[in-house]
Amino acid sequence: AQKITQTQPGMFVQEKEAVTLDCTYDTSDPSYGLFWYKQPSSGEMIFLIYQGSYDQQNATEGRYSLNFQKARKSANLVISASQLGDSAMYFCAMNSGGYQKVTFGIGTKLQVIP
Amino acid sequence: GAVVSQHPSRVICKSGTSVKIECRSLDFQATTMFWYRQFPKKSLMLMATSNEGSKATYEQGVEKDKFLINHASLTLSTLTVTSAHPEDSSFYICSARGTYSTDTQYFGPGTRLTVL
Repeated sequence: AQKITQTQPGMFVQEKEAVTLDCTYDTSDPSYGLFWYKQPSSGEMIFLIYQGSYDQQNATEGRYSLNFQKARKSANLVISASQLGDSAMYFCAMNSGGYQKVTFGIGTKLQVIP
Repeated sequence: GAVVSQHPSRVICKSGTSVKIECRSLDFQATTMFWYRQFPKKSLMLMATSNEGSKATYEQGVEKDKFLINHASLTLSTLTVTSAHPEDSSFYICSARGTYSTDTQYFGPGTRLTVL
């Protein structure tokens, strides 16, 4: 069975500081994709970053980077230089089962403090 | 933890037919349910938000007559894709949440729709 675990229900970070949001996963599929979404209070889901299970390098997208540690089955999101607009819910998710199934974590609420 | 199921997990239909996708919260009362569509580059588009017993609120650009959403009970919401066309082929994901916006949001496993 596929599973995503986000153990931090809420996080605080000072503006301009970096923050790491934890995500661990479990799957028996050798091929899978991991991604992070940001959800503001409006409910929309904003795609941030994607990491394929066979990708050799950690994914980066601007201020977002994914710390992919395959042996530990972790895919932590690192946000550098936090901004007030980064305050939101963040969901870790995984496509697996031949990319026919998606599994989401329960999310981490990030609050950026001025 | 709470579980949200979707049925069917995969459906193939002919162009012009209608397809109904069910989203159920299995062990909690979902006052609010969300329907998303996942695009090939992983972006997840919010289609609509539905509250039990009231009409769904559709996002801009989503045709409410084409994507019919019904949230008749606290455990079931349905999305009906009417007169489906190949461009409607996608991965549809629902999520469910309790009464308060601070309640945890749980996601279903998704439904892969292929329209021939």
